[in-house]
Amino acid sequence: EIVLTQSPGTLSLSVGERATLSCRASQNVDTSYLAWYQQKPGQAPRLLIYGASYRATGTPDRFSGSGSGTDFTLTIKRLEPEDFAMYYCQQYGNSRWTFGQGTKVEIK
Amino acid sequence: EVQLVESGGGLVQPGTSLRLSCEGSGYSFDDFAMHWVRQVPGKGLEWVSGISWNSEKIDYADSVKGRFTISRDNAKESLYLQMDSLRSEDTALYYCIKDGPGGWYGGYFESWGQGTQVTVSS
Repeated sequence: EIVLTQSPGTLSLSVGERATLSCRASQNVDTSYLAWYQQKPGQAPRLLIYGASYRATGTPDRFSGSGSGTDFTLTIKRLEPEDFAMYYCQQYGNSRWTFGQGTKVEIK
Repeated sequence: EVQLVESGGGLVQPGTSLRLSCEGSGYSFDDFAMHWVRQVPGKGLEWVSGISWNSEKIDYADSVKGRFTISRDNAKESLYLQMDSLRSEDTALYYCIKDGPGGWYGGYFESWGQGTQVTVSS
């Protein structure tokens, strides 16, 4: 099973700053099967990015995904107040889906 | 607009059974794989089970294999999760999820329901 490790655990930033979230896999991940989700308190997760770099419908263009192999990144170009939330990466391979443990983006 | 509405959660004792249901609407239900993912409040996400559009491909997490059974009824646009031999560690919020397009599985979780809470406790 592929283990995803997200870093940092918590990111403390201000509105307008750039956020860079990392997701590292224990084995190579097919870029077609790497996704990112945003979850706010009391809500279900929401798909942000799929295929490592494709924005889901409704995802603002300040969000971008990149990476390949074992290293993937979610970048938020300029944080808006509504972007402070938990973020998870997820991969699919060999009939198994796994999530990272999450990165919390909090207001500094 | 895609809508997924889960039901069937509740408080049950260890060793008993529960059946979750999910009704999908706003899209062509039989064109997409479906999944269940669970989350302990305040904790991370765990994929539980997935089923292809035609039920020919079914997969389970090791933690539930042999105890849980996923199924779907495309005519009723519904997804199910039969949970047997429940344990305290199965306590979580269970989400019903529509997969993305492509093959047996699109590989990502495109739309999520709001979840149904399952609590296993004596």
